[in-house]
Amino acid sequence: NAGVTQTPKFQVLKTGQSMTLQCAQDMNHEYMSWYRQDPGMGLRLIHYSVGAGITDQGEVPNGYNVSRSTTEDFPLRLLSAAPSQTSVYFCASRTGTSGSSEQFFGPGTRLTVL
Amino acid sequence: QKEVEQDPGPLSVPEGAIVSLNCTYSNSAFQYFMWYRQYSRKGPELLMYTYSSGNKEDGRFTAQVDKSSKYISLFIRDSQPSDSATYLCAMKRNTGGFKTIFGAGTRLFVKA
Repeated sequence: NAGVTQTPKFQVLKTGQSMTLQCAQDMNHEYMSWYRQDPGMGLRLIHYSVGAGITDQGEVPNGYNVSRSTTEDFPLRLLSAAPSQTSVYFCASRTGTSGSSEQFFGPGTRLTVL
Repeated sequence: QKEVEQDPGPLSVPEGAIVSLNCTYSNSAFQYFMWYRQYSRKGPELLMYTYSSGNKEDGRFTAQVDKSSKYISLFIRDSQPSDSATYLCAMKRNTGGFKTIFGAGTRLFVKA
């Protein structure tokens, strides 16, 4: 099993550009989520999905869109990139939402917006 | 005020030392307490989780939760250079779906 995979690993954008961060998992997990990690801030939830066709907003959703057409894939779209979106983005999947269900993270995408 | 506070470090110790990593929190509704390890330029991986108060041991790692003080700890015995990483604490209510709150992480360096 590859687990959770993310592409690209690194990306540099100019302000106003759009792009899609890809995330895929091969563990047949229903629950997937996107986080951003900034120095001194911890991981913050952007959007999440509880199954194909169902998504919801997390703590910091502004400027991002998601969709979930299959169980495996959960792409994150930046609509019009801003310097404040410079961050490391992690995709994660889990079997359930209880505290005992382990959350598996991808390797991350490092995004710089100039 | 953040819901979860964690000293960012860095914490530097010699090989073989006992390491103590800590987090404090303000929300008394938290019931699940997790510790994640994150190596440089990698995603976090779950190290241990504890439900409610008490201790949990796994090899060289011990997690402690003191709900009365709203304080959790992770102890690493006989620390190794391979333990050098950032350690994130995380907490979750018994209900509340996806809402897991993460600490900012403590960077640990174990010197050979």
